[in-house]
Amino acid sequence: QVQLEESGPRLVKPSETLSLTCTVSGGSLSSDSHYWTWIRQLPGKGLEWLGHIHHSGNTLYNPSLNSRPTISVDTSKNQFFLRLTSVTAADTALYYCARETEPFPILDVWGKGTTVTVSS
Amino acid sequence: DIQMTQSPSSLSASIGDRVTITCRASQGISNSLVWYQFQPGKVPKVLLFAASRLETGVPSRFSGSGSGTDYTLTISSLQPEDFATYYCQQYYNNPRTFGQGTKLEIK
Repeated sequence: QVQLEESGPRLVKPSETLSLTCTVSGGSLSSDSHYWTWIRQLPGKGLEWLGHIHHSGNTLYNPSLNSRPTISVDTSKNQFFLRLTSVTAADTALYYCARETEPFPILDVWGKGTTVTVSS
Repeated sequence: DIQMTQSPSSLSASIGDRVTITCRASQGISNSLVWYQFQPGKVPKVLLFAASRLETGVPSRFSGSGSGTDYTLTISSLQPEDFATYYCQQYYNNPRTFGQGTKLEIK
């Protein structure tokens, strides 16, 4: 059974770059039917889809984030990554990684999430 | 972006009750809708996709319906394990967007 686990610093300073890793276990990140996704839950607000990546390197991002996120993949380590530049307090959130499965692009496997706080 | 308006934001109900949650999209989404269940300490779970198709392993007391802009999630007879927060999400276009969530609590 595929499992995902987020990891990375829990505290990031304003204007710096947030970096998170999602480790995939129990399955391969190299499947053609899957896209590897980052979502966040802002405090007191709903869920925000940040973007996804295919093992081929194709990416899709949420335009509202103004090109700040970069999602990359390392198939040899079965990991994918989120970098979010120029963070502010508004980026404080619970960050999830998830697997999106075609043909219906549903997020069928999720990590438990990791909380990141942006503060000096 | 397509705005997803979910209602109610919270709901109190009893075991055995029938419960309905609605999700309205700001434009037609052609049944491109997923319902998720979030519970503290657990990974989120897909309940239904394509508005009405039950994900494998999900109990049949969960059902979905709708078309165009308006969709519903119904739980026919609430069980203790159903108390959770539910979200709808559209995948009609980018970016995927979610409803604000409905927190279902025990009355």
